[in-house]
Amino acid sequence: AQSVTQPDIHITVSEGASLELRCNYSYGATPYLFWYVQSPGQGLQLLLKYFSGDTLVQGIKGFEAEFKRSQSSFNLRKPSVHWSDAAEYFCAVGAREYGNKLVFGAGTILRVKS
Amino acid sequence: DTAVSQTPKYLVTQMGNDKSIKCEQNLGHDTMYWYKQDSKKFLKIMFSYNNKELIINETVPNRFSPKSPDKAHLNLHINSLELGDSAVYFCASSQDGTSGGLAKNIQYFGAGTRLSVL
Repeated sequence: AQSVTQPDIHITVSEGASLELRCNYSYGATPYLFWYVQSPGQGLQLLLKYFSGDTLVQGIKGFEAEFKRSQSSFNLRKPSVHWSDAAEYFCAVGAREYGNKLVFGAGTILRVKS
Repeated sequence: DTAVSQTPKYLVTQMGNDKSIKCEQNLGHDTMYWYKQDSKKFLKIMFSYNNKELIINETVPNRFSPKSPDKAHLNLHINSLELGDSAVYFCASSQDGTSGGLAKNIQYFGAGTRLSVL
């Protein structure tokens, strides 16, 4: 069965520090990979996506993610976190073979301390 | 202009009632989805329609019935509401979920409808 694991439920970082949010997936097809961000009471905003090609992808708000097939991972990174980055982050996996439905991880709540 | 809009934003109702949530997208997309986010923030797909045709139907109680009058709308009707139906329901759309170029598989989400069943 398809699954996505985000091992960290909560992460707290200081403003200006670097950030890495982990995502591992188990998928029986060639995956499409996404990171979405959800601010409190808001919908989901797409940060970045990977379909194929260059395994390091750039997104909005200074985020990037690296696809590592050998590790079945798609970790999200940001070199310097801003207070406005505090939100919940969801990793998601889809595949054409599964009708493009997205399977989401449980989310990681990011807290930023000043 | 809101790309994917859902109404209402909040819905509070009693157990046993029937309610509908509406979703409209103005992106010209062919595929629309409904997801449920439970109290633990876990997001799970419920349904997907492509050009008004049901293509994904996860294990969802029969009390939930999606209806797509045209490809820009996907409404969700829920009969005999139960306490466990309380959640945030998200609508999403993508250009073409089953064929075409890769970029067409990006899903855009609405702001969600928070349903509270008392």
